Amino acid sequence: EVHLVESGGALVQAGGALRLSCAASGFSFSDYYMAWVRQAPGKGLEWVGRITTRTHIYSTDYAASVKGRFIISRDDSKNSLFLQMNSLRTEDTAVYFCVTEFYYRFDSWGQGALVTVSS
Amino acid sequence: QSALTQPPSASGSPGQSVTIACTGTSSDVGGYEYVSWYQQHPGKAPQLLIYDVSERPSGVPDRFSGSKSGNTASLTVSGLQAEDEADYYCTSYAGTKHYVFGTGTRVTVL
Repeated sequence: EVHLVESGGALVQAGGALRLSCAASGFSFSDYYMAWVRQAPGKGLEWVGRITTRTHIYSTDYAASVKGRFIISRDDSKNSLFLQMNSLRTEDTAVYFCVTEFYYRFDSWGQGALVTVSS
Repeated sequence: QSALTQPPSASGSPGQSVTIACTGTSSDVGGYEYVSWYQQHPGKAPQLLIYDVSERPSGVPDRFSGSKSGNTASLTVSGLQAEDEADYYCTSYAGTKHYVFGTGTRVTVL
């Protein structure tokens, strides 16, 4: 069974930085593209970005709203996904979900990590 | 990239059907056969319901079906049950390795 567990959520001041982690188990992590999707309180889902596999040179893509501020990385040896968030803004306040991406769909989701950015 | 447009709410009585529209553009919904739908109960993570416009993952009841015409995709829930009360989101591949989600629809079972 696929299991994704996010950690690292916290309260941070605007302009600050935070790193989220996602521990994966129950599947061949290194074979999967991985993504982050966020959800602001009471709002809808927003795709944040994704990272491909080693075969695809670990390329990354980002939503325009976070490009240049957020960095997605992974450590296949530790079955872990990361989201480095810099220059945080109040509008980045959200629950961040770690997600498997498989052929243009998001198959499995973690329970989410809450990031709160205060002004 | 603008969010795909969904109605804020939809409702139906048990046993009835409800259809949710998801409207995009020729750059996303209309341009690719990569529309998927997700169900989210309050306080829970979303779950995949439909992928590739109309395909159901194993374990998803056949009461859930998807379709697409032009720039609009649709999710139909037939034979509504109490546990179908949830938020529903569409998403589409939008080219240049990006994705766009819908605004979300809250389904209420009357």
